[in-house]
Amino acid sequence: QSALTQPASVSGSPGQSITISCTGASSDVGGYDYVSWYQQHPGNAPKLMIYDVSNRPSGVSNRFSGSKSGNTASLTISGLQAEDEADYYCSSFSSSSSRVFGGGTKLTVL
Amino acid sequence: EVQLLESGGGLVQPGGSLRLSCAASGFTFSSFAMSWVRQAPGKGLEWVSTIRGSDGATYYADSVKGRFTISRDNSKTTLYLQVHSLRADDTAVYYCAKIRAPRSGFDYWGQGTLVTVSS
Repeated sequence: QSALTQPASVSGSPGQSITISCTGASSDVGGYDYVSWYQQHPGNAPKLMIYDVSNRPSGVSNRFSGSKSGNTASLTISGLQAEDEADYYCSSFSSSSSRVFGGGTKLTVL
Repeated sequence: EVQLLESGGGLVQPGGSLRLSCAASGFTFSSFAMSWVRQAPGKGLEWVSTIRGSDGATYYADSVKGRFTISRDNSKTTLYLQVHSLRADDTAVYYCAKIRAPRSGFDYWGQGTLVTVSS
């Protein structure tokens, strides 16, 4: 149950695109198409942004997209907006039916 | 509208116990797996435990196995987490979360309940 690896921080200017990576192993990210991404603003509960690698829940902007290659998943945010500034976490279903989260990435909109 | 409302957190001494509750509404509770996820102050999210809706099967993180017990009462649409032998590193906000489909992500979260372990 080792945590997935995310960059501690990323930044971008309004209107730009950024990508956050999430690296795991064949027992989690690489072995299942069940990676999800969460946005968390300070003091708030996490919010599901992407599920099952690349699917957006109803109500989530199409500026958010997800993908996966091998043991690494990625979240891309296009057309950055000030409101996107938050912490982002990836998560994966894992062997033995457990779940694992990444350490989180702080997104700063410059 | 899906709502998840946690309760039961508080200040407890090391070695102590608590029972956390999560009252659910707005969906067919018995049909969905539920989880507890925690977040230590200033830290990231950590999966704690999951209980399936269909058969009540349970799963735990290694860090809590043997000390925490997840359960559910489908008639009361309530999720529980019994926590024993608490340690300082169990201090965290504990969120309950609904799993959208088998193996999939957590689509709804409560606002969390804070557990502080300190003497």
